Amino acid sequence: GENVEQHPSTLSVQEGDSAVIKCTYSDSASNYFPWYKQELGKGPQLIIDIRSNVGEKKDQRIAVTLNKTAKHFSLHITETQPEDSAVYFCAAYLNTDKLIFGTGTRLQVFP
Amino acid sequence: DGGITQSPKYLFRKEGQNVTLSCEQNLNHDAMYWYRQDPGQGLRLIYYSQIVNDFQKGDIAEGYSVSREKKESFPLTVTSAQKNPTAFYLCASSIRASGNSGTGELFFGEGSRLTVL
Repeated sequence: GENVEQHPSTLSVQEGDSAVIKCTYSDSASNYFPWYKQELGKGPQLIIDIRSNVGEKKDQRIAVTLNKTAKHFSLHITETQPEDSAVYFCAAYLNTDKLIFGTGTRLQVFP
Repeated sequence: DGGITQSPKYLFRKEGQNVTLSCEQNLNHDAMYWYRQDPGQGLRLIYYSQIVNDFQKGDIAEGYSVSREKKESFPLTVTSAQKNPTAFYLCASSIRASGNSGTGELFFGEGSRLTVL
């Protein structure tokens, strides 16, 4: 069935370093790929998204890249700060109007 | 302030009891969703509704029921038929149904944690 795989499940970096989270999807018809950030005790919040007609999108310290041929997309966070510590979820929209989430990555940024 | 309100934040239930989780939004969004979050499994879709008086099953609908009598409200009932109901439940809404015609952005509530004793 359709699924989204996300790696790694946990990631620890030192403040100022970069963090990369990778996701792969199974449905070649997927056309929209959002990333959500979930802080402790809160609901997820959209931080960046990319559509299938674009290969890369950047917003300040975060960027997302998409490789449609390989069916994978990645989140890049540069100059990490302690407030970046959270759980990050990738997701992919299917043509059936369903959003499938990855299993999440717990990012810890150490000062 | 506009947003999604879930209640209660924490709920304890005895086995065999039904429990209803509330979700209210004042964003004037057409679509509403219920997700279940378990450690290491991401977010799994239980039910969703694209319009008042209509809803569809998600991937794990068994043991759950919903209603959508008003645009702003989408309550979820966890019935005694749900074998493993202890979880974190998230409600979300979007401007309209997802897909090519929509932005796709989901706005989430802060969740309800259900524990079955």
